[in-house]
Amino acid sequence: DTGVSQDPRHKITKRGQNVTFRCDPISEHNRLYWYRQTLGQGPEFLTYFQNEAQLEKSRLLSDRFSAERPKGSFSTLEIQRTEQGDSAMYLCASSLPPSRGGSYEQYFGPGTRLTVT
Amino acid sequence: AQKITQTQPGMFVQEKEAVTLDCTYDTSDPSYGLFWYKQPSSGEMIFLIYQGSYDQQNATEGRYSLNFQKARKSANLVISASQLGDSAMYFCAMRGEFFGNEKLTFGTGTRLTIIP
Repeated sequence: DTGVSQDPRHKITKRGQNVTFRCDPISEHNRLYWYRQTLGQGPEFLTYFQNEAQLEKSRLLSDRFSAERPKGSFSTLEIQRTEQGDSAMYLCASSLPPSRGGSYEQYFGPGTRLTVT
Repeated sequence: AQKITQTQPGMFVQEKEAVTLDCTYDTSDPSYGLFWYKQPSSGEMIFLIYQGSYDQQNATEGRYSLNFQKARKSANLVISASQLGDSAMYFCAMRGEFFGNEKLTFGTGTRLTIIP
C-alpha cells in the first residue's frame, strides 16, 4: 500500500494557461474523488469516479474543468483558461466500499497546490 | 443537502490535557456517516475516526473518541492526553451511506494548538 499520490505537488501558472493534475489512487480502490480546498476553508467536493465512470459532478466544476479516469486507475483533472480564483489546493482521495471489503474512509493524497498569477 | 458546522476557529490547550472539538451537522438522509480528519501544516488529510449513524456505541480509536449525540446532531471529537504533535487543523465531515451519495461534506475546521 503506497498511498494516494498526486503530481505535481506545486504548480504556478499564468492566468489563461491550461493545467493538468494527475492522481494515482491506492491500487485496489475503485472509487476516486477530487476536492478543492481554498485558504481557511474545508475541502469542497468537485467530482468522483467509480472505476472509469464519472458518477457525480459538483456545480463548482465549471465548463473549464474536466476530469477523466480512462482505465479506472489514475485520474487527471484539467483546468482550461485558468483564472486567479482557481488558486487552491486540489486534493484527490480514493476508497474501496464496504461491499468490496473496504470501509467508508477516504484516503487522501498530499494535494497539488495551484497558484494562478 | 448536508451541512457541517464547526464553531471553534481556534483552540489552545495545555499539553497532556484532554480537548473537545465541536461539530454539529444537518442532513435529511436517514443514514449517514461522520468523520474526523486531521490536517497538519504539511497539508495531507489524515483520517482519525468514523461513526455510522446507526452505530450503537461511540467510536474510539486510541486517544480519539467521538461523542455522538444523534438527537442533538452533534459529533464532537475528544482527544485525551494531548501531545505537541496534535497541533493541526481538524475537520469534521459527513456523507450519506447510500450508493450515489459518496461525497464528503466538510466543516470549516478548528485549528488546535497544543502548548508545552
